[in-house]
Amino acid sequence: EPEVTQTPSHQVTQMGQEVILRCVPISNHLYFYWYRQILGQKVEFLVSFYNNEISEKSEIFDDQFSVERPDGSNFTLKIRSTKLEDSAMYFCASSEGNRGRDYGYTFGSGTRLTVV
Amino acid sequence: GEDVEQSLFLSVREGDSSVINCTYTDSSSTYLYWYKQEPGAGLQLLTYIFSNMDMKQDQRLTVLLNKKDKHLSLRIADTQTGDSAIYFCAESIHSGYALNFGKGTSLLVTP
Repeated sequence: EPEVTQTPSHQVTQMGQEVILRCVPISNHLYFYWYRQILGQKVEFLVSFYNNEISEKSEIFDDQFSVERPDGSNFTLKIRSTKLEDSAMYFCASSEGNRGRDYGYTFGSGTRLTVV
Repeated sequence: GEDVEQSLFLSVREGDSSVINCTYTDSSSTYLYWYKQEPGAGLQLLTYIFSNMDMKQDQRLTVLLNKKDKHLSLRIADTQTGDSAIYFCAESIHSGYALNFGKGTSLLVTP
């Protein structure tokens, strides 16, 4: 069964450093997403990406965050200057996004980001 | 933003049925989902239902939707210890749009 792959599974970084979280979505999917889950809290939407541009973003997704699809397979989330409160599990997801035939998202297993 | 509410904990005995409930406030919710998260793992889509449906059954899983009351439930028949996990209700207004998650219901299945 096709899956969304995320690397690394765990990243530790110092406050103020830049991090790039990587994802390989399912190859025929058109929509790509990043979500995060702070420990013990709900899963929160960050951003969606379609046709090489951001289609929707939440209030959390401020200027510190950016996304990129640098080639035909990878989808990255960059946090420019990490803060302690950025510590969370970051989930990448992709979906076919076909109107009227939605099978939900496929999520990756997540990258646990720890900012120290 | 619109709210999705779930009870936080549910404990059942192995072999019993589990019913996990969810309420949502966004009347334009079109797609409703149940996801399962096992410890340390990602989110696994269990099932989904469109807002024009009342019920959907998939093996041991039954989803009921009361659109008037904005109430969604997930029934797991013959619950097994492997069903112990956190179950998230989520909604979106359109395919491809952001998912709005509840806080998750932690299901504990005891032998």
